[in-house]
Amino acid sequence: KAGVTQTPRYLIKTRGQQVTLSCSPISGHRSVSWYQQTPGQGLQFLFEYFSETQRNKGNFPGRFSGRQFSNSRSEMNVSTLELGDSALYLCASSLGQGMTNYGYTFGSGTRLTVV
Amino acid sequence: AQRVTQPEKLLSVFKGAPVELKCNYSYSGSPELFWYVQYSRQRLQLLLRHISRESIKGFTADLNKGETSFHLKKPFAQEEDSAMYYCALSATYSGAGSYQLTFGKGTKLSVIP
Repeated sequence: KAGVTQTPRYLIKTRGQQVTLSCSPISGHRSVSWYQQTPGQGLQFLFEYFSETQRNKGNFPGRFSGRQFSNSRSEMNVSTLELGDSALYLCASSLGQGMTNYGYTFGSGTRLTVV
Repeated sequence: AQRVTQPEKLLSVFKGAPVELKCNYSYSGSPELFWYVQYSRQRLQLLLRHISRESIKGFTADLNKGETSFHLKKPFAQEEDSAMYYCALSATYSGAGSYQLTFGKGTKLSVIP
């Protein structure tokens, strides 16, 4: 079955602009989580969506937002981009049911560069 | 708050030697722990979960609650084991059914032929 698909793979944006990243989870997975990966901070949790609802949010400013559609596809948006937003943004999907954590399946990520 | 510490940024071992990647955690609840691996130019992938107590690619990891550790071990390293390894802890949020992973900074394993 198809894995987690993230588009685009690479993006270059200018400070002050906004950007939208897309993630299509594995078929049947209803939970989508987003992580930011940087050399300095490592992997940090952004937010998690399940059945179109944000269930959990990490410690990021309000410029970072997301949503999930009825087909479980998710988008994240970053407004008023700053140089420090340059990172690899990873999407991960999971069944998301119950309390047992079966682990995530990650996408290849979107490499965002802010200049 | 939860925290995951991987004390070694880089670990180099010779092929055939034993490998131990260290992971320590801090969490007040009952932890669920994972090891993820990222091979060169590949996506991050789940290696093993403590709850399943399985061995994947010869790797095992035992949760030691007394020492709050979840070290990854393999008796004989292979060249194809060279990769970045991340230890992660899952914190559940009761009621919401949600959870998030807190990752360590990772250890780069280099197996020398």
